[in-house]
Amino acid sequence: QVQLQESGPGLVKPSETLSLTCTVSGGSISTYYWSWIRQPPGKGLEWVGYIYHSGNTNYNPSLKSRVTLSIDTSKNQFSLKLTSMTAADTAVYYCARYDYGGNSFDYWGQGTLVTVSS
Amino acid sequence: DIQMTQSPSSLSAPVGDRVTITCRASQSVTKYLNWYQQKPGKAPRVLIYTASSLQSGVPSRFSGSGSGTDFTLTISSLQPEDFATYYCQQSYTIPITFGQGTRLEIK
Repeated sequence: QVQLQESGPGLVKPSETLSLTCTVSGGSISTYYWSWIRQPPGKGLEWVGYIYHSGNTNYNPSLKSRVTLSIDTSKNQFSLKLTSMTAADTAVYYCARYDYGGNSFDYWGQGTLVTVSS
Repeated sequence: DIQMTQSPSSLSAPVGDRVTITCRASQSVTKYLNWYQQKPGKAPRVLIYTASSLQSGVPSRFSGSGSGTDFTLTISSLQPEDFATYYCQQSYTIPITFGQGTRLEIK
């Protein structure tokens, strides 16, 4: 059974950079696309971007100037960096597997709440 | 960006009822429409992919239909564990976008 687990700081100061890592277990990261999705408290879901094992990426244009995804196949991990954080970036951040066959997010991490505050 | 609009935003229904949730896309997404269920404090889980395919392990009381711009999720007989928020999501084009959600409550 594939499992995903997010890790990173729960609190980030305004203007700083958020770094989150997702560790994948129970399957190889060297297939599928791997994604980040976020959800502000009490609100809906926003796709951030995804990365393939080759390193190819696709980002949400609304965040593209601030987002970088990377992947480390040797550690079965992929990561998110989001620069210039503001209060509007406060959200639960989920990592998820994107199944290109079904064109859906079929496995998700439990999510990690990131709060932007000084 | 393709805008996804769900209706209703919320509804209440009793156990045993048949419920339908609608999702409309601002332009055609062909068959690339998925449905997710999210319970409080939990990650979403996929129920239906490519409009009408039931994800493995999902009860058969869930079904999806539609194509192009108009889609529906139907729960044939509501169970207590079905009370949650439901989201549609298009994977036809980048950026991937979600509907605003439909909150399903017990009546």
